[in-house]
Amino acid sequence: QSALTQPASVSGSPGQSITISCTGTSSDVGGYNYVSWYQQHPGKAPKLMIYEVSNRPSGVSNRFSGSKSGNTASLTISGLQAEDEADYYCSSYTSSSTLGVFGGGTKLTVL
Amino acid sequence: EVQLVQSGAEVKKPGESLKISCKGSGYSFTSYWIGWVRQMPGKGLEWMGIIYPGDSDTRYSPSFQGQVTISADKSISTAYLQWSSLKASDTAMYYCARRFSSSPGVDYWGQGTLVTVSS
Repeated sequence: QSALTQPASVSGSPGQSITISCTGTSSDVGGYNYVSWYQQHPGKAPKLMIYEVSNRPSGVSNRFSGSKSGNTASLTISGLQAEDEADYYCSSYTSSSTLGVFGGGTKLTVL
Repeated sequence: EVQLVQSGAEVKKPGESLKISCKGSGYSFTSYWIGWVRQMPGKGLEWMGIIYPGDSDTRYSPSFQGQVTISADKSISTAYLQWSSLKASDTAMYYCARRFSSSPGVDYWGQGTLVTVSS
């Protein structure tokens, strides 16, 4: 199962907004509203930030938002803060595997 | 409060066996799929397999089928990941993760277990 495609890195200055893309196919991202996003700081476990494309778990800042268009999902972080610097992974349900599939990950640098 | 607490770091030699654990608390352990995710050094996340502790239904990624065994003991709310013969390439961080009840995403993660395999 091929991983979903994410940019290797993105960067932004404090206060700016950035968007991370996650591109799949009609068999995964495009076919189902089961895209999740995870934040992982160095040496830490991943943390759920967005589920089912655009839903935020309790406790996650409303600076984080998710969307989807066709086969591409996106995570947008507004009002960038230094603490947002981390790796971000998308994942999706896929018709070819009960387990689902992850993206390759994107390193966010806050300049 | 939902918690997944994993066993501690392990250092093993090639060819040795290993079983690591993940204890769930704060929820009905038998009602949610638990998965294992591998993260090799400096790399991304990979699903290894999942188990439904209620009936021990287990699914493996093709990449890990036959290489590891996933099990669960619902009497002590604990899931396991085991190897019968470790290889150096098994060196990685391993996370257990609870899947949503109604969708395949993960809502809670364990803290991770670092497995180092070296002669």
